[in-house]
Amino acid sequence: NAGVTQTPKFQVLKTGQSMTLQCAQDMNHNSMYWYRQDPGMGLRLIYYSASEGTTDKGEVPNGYNVSRLNKREFSLRLESAAPSQTSVYFCASVSSGDGSYEQYFGPGTRLTVT
Amino acid sequence: AQTVTQSQPEMSVQEAETVTLSCTYDTSENNYYLFWYKQPPSRQMILVIRQEAYKQQNATENRFSVNFQKAAKSFSLKISDSQLGDTAMYFCAFMTARYGSRLTFGEGTQLTVNP
Repeated sequence: NAGVTQTPKFQVLKTGQSMTLQCAQDMNHNSMYWYRQDPGMGLRLIYYSASEGTTDKGEVPNGYNVSRLNKREFSLRLESAAPSQTSVYFCASVSSGDGSYEQYFGPGTRLTVT
Repeated sequence: AQTVTQSQPEMSVQEAETVTLSCTYDTSENNYYLFWYKQPPSRQMILVIRQEAYKQQNATENRFSVNFQKAAKSFSLKISDSQLGDTAMYFCAFMTARYGSRLTFGEGTQLTVNP
């Protein structure tokens, strides 16, 4: 049981390049989330998927797209990276079936855009 | 919209002493959950404690306890017998199941435990 996994752990991009951050969970959770964390700030929600086949915008969705590929996987795509997207990105999934609503987080991806 | 405020950017405490981290929130919802997450230098987000708004009893987890004041919209974290391993960034977070169970985080409090 690996929990929530993210790839890659680190990435450096040049302005205008594109990339996809991958996330997978093996806990059979319905809901998955992408957050970003900037220095001195808490995590902010980019997009989320309440269930397979649905996605919704969060607080800071501009410049990002997501795909809920199946129940396990939820990817985040930067089509044209900008320096303002330099951040640490976290994927999470939630256990709601037991009423706990505890979110389980991946280890994060540190992205630098130059 | 929900907001979460942590007014203490940094705090420090001596090993074995007690420290309290503050958190206030704003919401019009009646049913919600509150969380404290710990983020050590490894960057991993770790759940410390959870409180359901419908429960009047304050949650406790070993050395960690909360003071939940629903009317005042306050949710503080008390750490007793502080240990060096408690050094981390602590985030208060709010969640309501009505909005996809997504979390709204405060800005965080950097806690340093000194030997």
